[in-house]
Amino acid sequence: DAGVIQSPRHEVTEMGQEVTLRCKPISGHDYLFWYRQTMMRGLELLIYFNNNVPIDDSGMPEDRFSAKMPNASFSTLKIQPSEPRDSAVYFCASRRGREAGELFFGEGSRLTVL
Amino acid sequence: GQSLEQPSEVTAVEGAIVQINCTYQTSGFYGLSWYQQHDGGAPTFLSYNGLDGLEETGRFSSFLSRSDSYGYLLLQELQMKDSASYFCAVRNAGNMLTFGGGTRLMVKP
Repeated sequence: DAGVIQSPRHEVTEMGQEVTLRCKPISGHDYLFWYRQTMMRGLELLIYFNNNVPIDDSGMPEDRFSAKMPNASFSTLKIQPSEPRDSAVYFCASRRGREAGELFFGEGSRLTVL
Repeated sequence: GQSLEQPSEVTAVEGAIVQINCTYQTSGFYGLSWYQQHDGGAPTFLSYNGLDGLEETGRFSSFLSRSDSYGYLLLQELQMKDSASYFCAVRNAGNMLTFGGGTRLMVKP
């Protein structure tokens, strides 16, 4: 069974450009999470979805960030316009069910904004 | 809000036992998880404690005391491949998982 798939694995862009990160959760998982990891701030939860509906987006840093989940097998995290401080590794993770303790992470998208 | 405290670094020798502690403050506590992350890799699940007590999975064990807001991860028979960062994470009733800052474990020969 395939794990969580993220693309791109690496993205280098210039300040002001739009960045779109993509995630395909594990089939059958009804919860999807977006995390950001930096040395300074660690692993931060940005937003999570349940059955494609955004439940909590309080971690989204500002209006430049937006996330969508148009169907059960696809989600995007968009940054527009991007800034150097957005440089980080962005992880998508999924889980089946409310009671499950285990979160399955994708390999991450390493974003560098110059 | 939520906060988790864990040591930033721990060093141990191959074959030894190491304990990584985690204390937390949160509302609506549901359970404590542990994740391992190698450099450049993704976090991978190690264990979950929803109730007080010890959970054992091979060389790894995890403990939780809800009354003390405290848990630990115990790694036995350390191997070089155990060198990684270890994160405790609190799950609250809202289904969110909040991670601690991570403990970098260095295993020396």
